Amino acid sequence: EEQLVQSGAEVKKPGESLKISCKGSGYTFTSYWIGWVRQMPGKGLEWMGIIYPGDSDTRYSPSFQGQVTISADKSTSTAYLQWSSLKASDTAMYYCARGYCGSGGNCYFDYWGQGTLVTVSS
Amino acid sequence: SYELTQPPSVSVSPGQTARITCSGDALPKQYAYWYQQKPGQAPILVIYKDSERPSGIPERLSGSSSGTRITLTISGVQAEDEADYYCQSVDGSGSFVVFGGGTKLTVL
Repeated sequence: EEQLVQSGAEVKKPGESLKISCKGSGYTFTSYWIGWVRQMPGKGLEWMGIIYPGDSDTRYSPSFQGQVTISADKSTSTAYLQWSSLKASDTAMYYCARGYCGSGGNCYFDYWGQGTLVTVSS
Repeated sequence: SYELTQPPSVSVSPGQTARITCSGDALPKQYAYWYQQKPGQAPILVIYKDSERPSGIPERLSGSSSGTRITLTISGVQAEDEADYYCQSVDGSGSFVVFGGGTKLTVL
C-alpha cells in the first residue's frame, strides 16, 4: 500500500531553522516525484515545489523560490522541506504528495501525506 | 502568473446535481485534476486527466472539459460530499503546477 508519512507538528520562533520530512513506502520512491503544498489557516492549496528523488531534479514555484529548500534522500525514501529562517507568515499546514508527471510536464498528486502543522510564533 | 479560477461556493440540496467549474487559459492543452478536501483531512484525488476516476471514487463524481473550462459534476449529492474541491493543472509550458482557489460545496 502506497503511503507517505510526514513528521510531527512543530512550534518554532521567528528566525529559527526547520526541516520537515516525508517518508514514502509501498512503492518505488525513486520512480515518482514528491511535491510540497502549503495550506495557510482557512485558505486554499498552494504548490511550493517538486522533486524527483531518482535524480534530484527540483522545481520551485516562483512564489517559494529562495524561501525554502526541497531535497530527498534515496537511501531512506524520504523527502524534506526546509527553511533557514522562519517567519510568522510561514505558519501553515504543509503536505507532501506523490507526483505523477507525464510528458510535457503535466503533474498531479495521487497520494498525500497526513500533513505537518508548522506554527511560528514569538 | 497563471491562474485557475473557481467559484468560492456552491450549494445544493441532497439528491440534486452539483457542478463546480474551473477556468484557465491553458486548459485546452493541459490536463486538469480535481481534489476533495474535508475539514481536518488531507486532500484526495477524485478526478485525473480531466475525466478519469481513480479506483474507489464513487461514479457519481465525474469530470468534463470544454475549451478553457473544466467541470466537476457530482450527481445525486450526498451529505458526505460536503467538502472543499480544488482544481489543479499546470501552466501552458508545463513548468509550474497551479491550484485553483477552491470551492466549498455545501449540502443544504
